[in-house]
Amino acid sequence: AQKITQTQPGMFVQEKEAVTLDCTYDTSDQSYGLFWYKQPSSGEMIFLIYQGSYDEQNATEGRYSLNFQKARKSANLVISASQLGDSAMYFCAMRVIFRLTFGKGITLSVRP
Amino acid sequence: DAGITQSPRHKVTETGTPVTLRCHQTENHRYMYWYRQDPGHGLRLIHYSYGVKDTDKGEVSDGYSVSRSKTEDFLLTLESATSSQTSVYFCAIGGQGNYGGELFFGEGSRLTVL
Repeated sequence: AQKITQTQPGMFVQEKEAVTLDCTYDTSDQSYGLFWYKQPSSGEMIFLIYQGSYDEQNATEGRYSLNFQKARKSANLVISASQLGDSAMYFCAMRVIFRLTFGKGITLSVRP
Repeated sequence: DAGITQSPRHKVTETGTPVTLRCHQTENHRYMYWYRQDPGHGLRLIHYSYGVKDTDKGEVSDGYSVSRSKTEDFLLTLESATSSQTSVYFCAIGGQGNYGGELFFGEGSRLTVL
């Protein structure tokens, strides 16, 4: 069975600073994909970044980067230069054999 | 836009009544998913489909059934709704192969069971 763990309580960050959101995963499969999604208060799910289990380089998408540590089974999201619009719930997810499993999410609040 | 619509967007029903939620896509994606979102639980997979008439259970499938008779539609049915099924339901499409490709989400359907 696959499992995603997000245990941080609500996170706070000052505008323009960087923040790391933690995610650990567990699977016995060698082939898997790791995702991060953002859900603002309006409720839509917004795809941020993807990392494949065989990718050697950490994924980056603009201000988002995924710190992939395969041996530790962690896939932390780093947001650089936080903006007020980054305030939202963030979900880590893992896709294995078609199924996409989500963690419980982390709330991020950006302070001006 | 990913070409995915959910209907209805809001529904209030009574315990014991059947409810069907529809997910419609115009993107010809092979994979379709139904999730429910509840506070403190994140998104939990109910059922998913990997092709027409090919479906499988997720982690919280009890009390739910699905059907996919054509590529574009994935129906989620609550045969006899209970208050514990009050939730926001999301449909998602996308994915490539076994583990790649992003999923695109619908706007969600808020279901209240009284």
